[in-house]
Amino acid sequence: GAGVSQSPRYKVAKRGQDVALRCDPISGHVSLFWYQQALGQGPEFLTYFQNEAQLDKSGLPSDRFFAERPEGSVSTLKIQRTQQEDSAVYLCASSSTGGARSEKLFFGSGTQLSVL
Amino acid sequence: DQQVKQNSPSLSVQEGRISILNCDYTNSMFDYFLWYKKYPAEGPTFLISISSIKDKNEDGRFTVFLNKSAKHLSLHIVPSQPGDSAVYFCAAFGNEKLTFGTGTRLTIIP
Repeated sequence: GAGVSQSPRYKVAKRGQDVALRCDPISGHVSLFWYQQALGQGPEFLTYFQNEAQLDKSGLPSDRFFAERPEGSVSTLKIQRTQQEDSAVYLCASSSTGGARSEKLFFGSGTQLSVL
Repeated sequence: DQQVKQNSPSLSVQEGRISILNCDYTNSMFDYFLWYKKYPAEGPTFLISISSIKDKNEDGRFTVFLNKSAKHLSLHIVPSQPGDSAVYFCAAFGNEKLTFGTGTRLTIIP
């Protein structure tokens, strides 16, 4: 596709439910990042992949959060046993260059997660 | 603790005038700074960047100034246009991670 695609656009979950958020990066992009943006805040780093390798997951807030990119393209962010504080917009970004220091990040429109 | 701060949540500027958005940071390890622009229901898009070895970078109507001693950077937009109305995020690289500020909502008044 022309840009980074994320699905679903909106997700409402009951507390305790598991959710999976999908990211389709720009074709051929090596680097993929997940960010969490709470209301009124800037995006906060969650995790980084270079191809299929998860090189940095230091931003994941707890072991309920898990991300994968098994074939080096599509990535899934999974949140188990969701809690109200997980409510946020989850942004995916990709870059054609390798390395965490990717200046030209292309962001998707995000998935807005609401946990009731 | 907020390492990148944008203290003005909102700013309104008359069309044609200069818009100045400010950003302060606390981490002296930051060595590369970026500005992103975000429209509603879209992801942020890269606007302009500056390395810590420079004090100014210009791209068309957009200029970013960096004052390392004050740990302050600013984005100047001149002349401001209605399409510039958006949320602007300042971001900084350090420890191989990008840290964002909380954003400033810029409204250009026709």
